[in-house]
Amino acid sequence: EDQVTQSPEALRLQEGESSSLNCSYTVSGLRGLFWYRQDPGKGPEFLFTLYSAGEEKEKERLKATLTKKESFLHITAPKPEDSATYLCAVQINNNDMRFGAGTRLTVKP
Amino acid sequence: NAGVTQTPKFQVLKTGQSMTLQCAQDMNHEYMSWYRQDPGMGLRLIHYSVGAGITDQGEVPNGYNVSRSTTEDFPLRLLSAAPSQTSVYFCASSRYMGNIQYFGAGTRLSVL
Repeated sequence: EDQVTQSPEALRLQEGESSSLNCSYTVSGLRGLFWYRQDPGKGPEFLFTLYSAGEEKEKERLKATLTKKESFLHITAPKPEDSATYLCAVQINNNDMRFGAGTRLTVKP
Repeated sequence: NAGVTQTPKFQVLKTGQSMTLQCAQDMNHEYMSWYRQDPGMGLRLIHYSVGAGITDQGEVPNGYNVSRSTTEDFPLRLLSAAPSQTSVYFCASSRYMGNIQYFGAGTRLSVL
């Protein structure tokens, strides 16, 4: 069964304390892996797309990496404004997308 | 540029009532989709459309209907609301499936 699992469910960091979020997947054929950010009361907002193992993308304090079984979202020296829920999604065929339950990140000043 | 617009933002229904959640996009995107988001669970795909006149079921379609008469609009209909349909509903659009999805702000629905 196609499955996307994110860990941890929640993460509390001090400002400047770097860490990583994990997205592991078991799908029959990966067509693309997406990371989104979701703020409370809002819709998800696109961050990155990764298509093949070994691929990396960076944006400000965020870096996404992809292996054959999982993806990591690395957060370097986070700031309070990075607090949000981070969602991972996997495209499993031409017309289906499966989302993980998300990691709720809190960055304390 | 409004992006994806969902109405209403909040709705309370009684069991058995019907209603339509509206979704409109102004980006000329071919692909549109509806998701529901429940606590502890990821976004789950309800229905999607790859273009005007074409719709198909996603992971959790039961109890919901859709139609796509124009490129811009993709309404979601609840035929007979049930408490299990209490959720936050998101509409999204993209140029094509597999491309970046742009989400609306969501509709928070409670069914009593």
